[in-house]
Amino acid sequence: QKEVEQDPGPLSVPEGAIVSLNCTYSNSAFQYFMWYRQYSRKGPELLMYTYSSGNKEDGRFTAQVDKSSKYISLFIRDSQPSDSATYLCAISGNTPLVFGKGTRLSVIA
Amino acid sequence: IAGITQAPTSQILAAGRRMTLRCTQDMRHNAMYWYRQDLGLGLRLIHYSNTAGTTGKGEVPDGYSVSRANTDDFPLTLASAVPSQTSVYFCASSVGTSGGDTQYFGPGTRLTVL
Repeated sequence: QKEVEQDPGPLSVPEGAIVSLNCTYSNSAFQYFMWYRQYSRKGPELLMYTYSSGNKEDGRFTAQVDKSSKYISLFIRDSQPSDSATYLCAISGNTPLVFGKGTRLSVIA
Repeated sequence: IAGITQAPTSQILAAGRRMTLRCTQDMRHNAMYWYRQDLGLGLRLIHYSNTAGTTGKGEVPDGYSVSRANTDDFPLTLASAVPSQTSVYFCASSVGTSGGDTQYFGPGTRLTVL
């Protein structure tokens, strides 16, 4: 079993939709949970960061961590065409980050 | 502030040739990383360096070598390139080595080995 599993999509939604992106992980020692966004032909950039469990909100973006289920989510409200990108979850304990494969999202105007 | 620069932007290389991908950061970060990104496989760690003078192996180190002579530079060398090393290569850096430290990525190098 891979340490981090992420559905690669692609996911296509209409503008204004609520988007849900998810990852599961296997190592219960993981405590740092991140979401990176990668636009086409660019390097990934940190979007959201959560330590341990709970929710974190930043504008239209909400990150959730459920450690009991080893499941993390990123929600995007009122999605915009500019949100079209690949979203990678990244998880760590005291070791280098482990990245999911990324989910490619297209928001259609 | 440039952040992380990588060179070249892209390269086509004949199999068997030696190639060095350059990475420079101006943020005085201690840790640096090399990843390759392939369709369907995601980002995979090749080598990393926690601080100048030290390096470590990641998930897919075979066929690659690195050095960290100073804080700013972290070159990746392919001693004898093979077609399976065709990929997009990203360099990244972070302040420290804590799992919670944000990694900052460069723009990538697209390498094709024929």
